[in-house]
This record gives sequence, C-alpha cells and structure tokens, in this order.
Amino acid sequence: QSALTQPPSASGSPGQSVTISCTGTSSDVGGYNYVSWYQQHPGKAPKLMIYEVSKRPSGVPDRFSGSKSGNTASLTVSGLQADDEADYYCSSYAVNNNLVFGGGTKLTVL
Amino acid sequence: QVQLVESGGGVVQPGRSLRLSCAASGFTFSGYGMHWVRQAPGKGLHWVAIISFDGSNKYYADSVKGRFTISRDNSENTLYLQMSSLRAEDTAVYYCAKDVGNFRQWPVFGMDVWGQGTTVTVSS
Repeated sequence: QSALTQPPSASGSPGQSVTISCTGTSSDVGGYNYVSWYQQHPGKAPKLMIYEVSKRPSGVPDRFSGSKSGNTASLTVSGLQADDEADYYCSSYAVNNNLVFGGGTKLTVL
Repeated sequence: QVQLVESGGGVVQPGRSLRLSCAASGFTFSGYGMHWVRQAPGKGLHWVAIISFDGSNKYYADSVKGRFTISRDNSENTLYLQMSSLRAEDTAVYYCAKDVGNFRQWPVFGMDVWGQGTTVTVSS
C-alpha cells in the first residue's frame, strides 16, 4: 500500500482557519469511511483528533473538523491557536485489512 | 487512568529477534482491538499490525509480514510484538495503540489511546 498524500507544510495566523488535505485512492480513502487524523507534537505520542472521517473524540475542541470528498479527506482547524502548531497525519483503512498513513503535514502558526 | 506502557526496546543486531510488550490499564483491555505503529527517526507514522479484541484475527503491513507476530494475553492485559529477522530499516520508535472502535466490535482502524513508545535500534 502506498502512503496517502499530504502537503508537507501548512500555515496560518492565530484566529485563522487552515485546511490540510489527504489524498488516496478508491482502495483506501475513497472506498471506506475510516479516515482518522492525528496531531503529534515533537517528542510526543500522536493524539487522535478525528476518526471515521468526521467524528471527534471527547476532549477534542470543535475547532477541529474532518470531511471527505471522493478520494480526498480534509482536516480543518479553525480559530488557530499557538498550541495547534504540530505535525498532522491522516490515516485510512485500506483493502485487505491494512492501514495506511499520510506522510504528515507540519502546521505552523505564524 | 487509561494507559498503555511499552517495554522491551533496545539495540539488536541485524537478523536477531526482539519481543516488545505493552501493558494496558484503566480500560477493559479484552474488549478492544490493538495496534502497533512505528516511527523511524525523523520520519512519519507507519502502521505495523492489528489484533482483534479476542486475538482471533491478526493483520500485518507487507513490510513486516512473515517476520513479526502480534499477540495478546487478555488475562494479563498485555499486548506483544515478536520481531524476528530484524533489519536496519526496522529501526524506529514502536507505539502500541488502542482501537477507537466499539466494545467487542470489529476495529475501525482509528487509535484513541497511545503509549509513550519504545525505541528499537537495529545495528551491528
């Protein structure tokens, strides 16, 4: 399975919104509603932000939202805050009970 | 509180074996699928394997199939990863993670609880 495609970087000013894309194929993102998004600060374990395309775990602010159209999923972070600066990874269930991650996007809060 | 604690990492020579453990607490371990995910130094996340809540189903990434074995002991609330024929490219931080799916249901391949990771270095 090939990795999902994410932009290497994204940025926005405090209070603004930013959207990170995650492109796959019909064998993963496009074929299943099992897309997740993770936030990872340097030296820390990843944290689940979105699962099943658009569901938020308890404790995750509603500033974080997920969506999907065709083979591309998106994570939108609105009302950017300094602590949102981190690496973000998408993942998707893929055929034959596999899981594939994106390459990661470094989000910078200007 | 809900917690996963990995152990067993270290430095190992190419071709040798190593077993990682992941001790779970704070939730009903026997009711959830569990994953191993690794992250090479300075690189992104890479899924390794999944085991269903009862251990009856196991699936692996192509890169480790035939060399790694995932298992669990629900009586001990512990997840394992037996790694053999290790290669330099297996060098990474290995995380165990709990699937976010519903209790005793098929996993949804999202991970809501992560351990702190254990480092495996494969080098001669």
